[in-house]
Amino acid sequence: EPEVTQTPSHQVTQMGQEVILRCVPISNHLYFYWYRQILGQKVEFLVSFYNNEISEKSEIFDDQFSVERPDGSNFTLKIRSTKLEDSAMYFCASSEAGGHSYEQYFGPGTRLTVT
Amino acid sequence: DAKTTQPPSMDCAEGRAANLPCNHSTISGNEYVYWYRQIHSQGPQYIIHGLKNNETNEMASLIITEDRKSSTLILPHATLRDTAVYYCIVRVLYNQGGKLIFGQGTELSVKP
Repeated sequence: EPEVTQTPSHQVTQMGQEVILRCVPISNHLYFYWYRQILGQKVEFLVSFYNNEISEKSEIFDDQFSVERPDGSNFTLKIRSTKLEDSAMYFCASSEAGGHSYEQYFGPGTRLTVT
Repeated sequence: DAKTTQPPSMDCAEGRAANLPCNHSTISGNEYVYWYRQIHSQGPQYIIHGLKNNETNEMASLIITEDRKSSTLILPHATLRDTAVYYCIVRVLYNQGGKLIFGQGTELSVKP
């Protein structure tokens, strides 16, 4: 069964450094998402992406965050200057389309630790 | 999107049916009920969704009340691997795809 993959599984970085989290969505999917989950808290929506542009973003997704689909397969989340509070699990998801029959498939996540 | 209310935790004996309730009393006519689960910090996994009719798939059944103000997810024969946090999400669907708004969910513990 096709699946969403994410790399790395764990990233440790120092405060102020830039990080790029990578995702390979399912190949025929057109909608892409990033979510995050701070330890012990609920899963939070960050951004959705369709047709090479952001469809929607949350208040969390400020100027420090950006997303890109640099080629036909990867979908990346960049955090320009990491803060301690960016430490979380980051989940990528994709869906075939936006209609109600199309559920979102989540990747296994990248654990980001900012020290 | 409408708000949902779920019990924070439930227990279920292995092999028995797990019935997970969800209250969504402010749901509107164009909102669907979705269920996802998250096993031990893995990525959330889609289970089932419905609008007003009861739905069944290989994983679970979804029973939605006639007034659509509440629903129940049923895992017919729970196994230890069904131990997870279960999220009930009410969602309006847009053509561009829609964000999922997760609450705290119900932590289901399936016990031997």
